[in-house]
Amino acid sequence: QAVVTQEPSLTVSPGGTVTLTCGSSTGAVTSSHYPYWFQQKPGQAPRTLIYDTSIKHSWIPARFSGSLLGGKAALTLSGAQPEDEAEYYCLLSYSGARVFGGGTKLTVL
Amino acid sequence: EVKLVESGGGLVKPGGSLRLSCAASGFTFNNAWMSWARQAPGKGLEWVGRIKSKTDGGTTDYAAPVKGRLTISRDDSKNTLYLQMNSLKTEDTAVYYCTTDLRHWGQGTLVTVSS
Repeated sequence: QAVVTQEPSLTVSPGGTVTLTCGSSTGAVTSSHYPYWFQQKPGQAPRTLIYDTSIKHSWIPARFSGSLLGGKAALTLSGAQPEDEAEYYCLLSYSGARVFGGGTKLTVL
Repeated sequence: EVKLVESGGGLVKPGGSLRLSCAASGFTFNNAWMSWARQAPGKGLEWVGRIKSKTDGGTTDYAAPVKGRLTISRDDSKNTLYLQMNSLKTEDTAVYYCTTDLRHWGQGTLVTVSS
C-alpha cells in the first residue's frame, strides 16, 4: 500500500501564508490522484476543504486553495486566522483505494 | 442540506460482529458514491472503503486491513448505508464516519472492541 506523507507540524503567524504539502511514496502526485484536503478541530468531525486537487465547497473560505506543487499536492492558506488552528489531512486515490496522510498540526501563533 | 447520521456503535468483544448504519438526507442518495472512514482514539484518519452507486455498478473497494472482514452495502429505498463488521479486532476500535465519498461527513459513531 502506498504511503502518503505530510509535514507533522507547521506554524503560521496570524495574517500570514503557509503551504502544507502531500507527497506519495509511489512518485509524483498528479491530478489522477484526485487529492483531497480535510480540516479537523479537536472533538469535531473532519470537514472537507478541497477535492479533486483544487475544487472547494461554496462555504469554504477563499483563503484556502489547493494546487499541485513540485510533484506534491499543496494546500495554501493565505491570511491565516486564529480559527484555522487545526489538524489538516490530505488523501490520495490509487486505482480505487484511497490513503490518508498522517496529518499536519497547524498552529496559528 | 446534506445530513448523514451514523448509528449502531458500541462495545463488542474481539471476534464479534456489529453493523453500523448511516441515514442520509438532503441529496439524491441512489446517485451517490458513499464511503466509510475511521479514526482510532488519538490517531489520524483511515479510509475504510467505498461503494459506488448502482448505476455505476454498485461495486466496493476496501482498505487492506479490513478486506474480508468489513462489508459495505446500501439500501437505496431507505437512503441508508451500512457497514457490516465481522471478526472484529481490538485495532478496529475507532470512531467510524459515513461520508458522501469524502465530500460531506457525519458526526461519527464509536466502536470499541475490548474483552
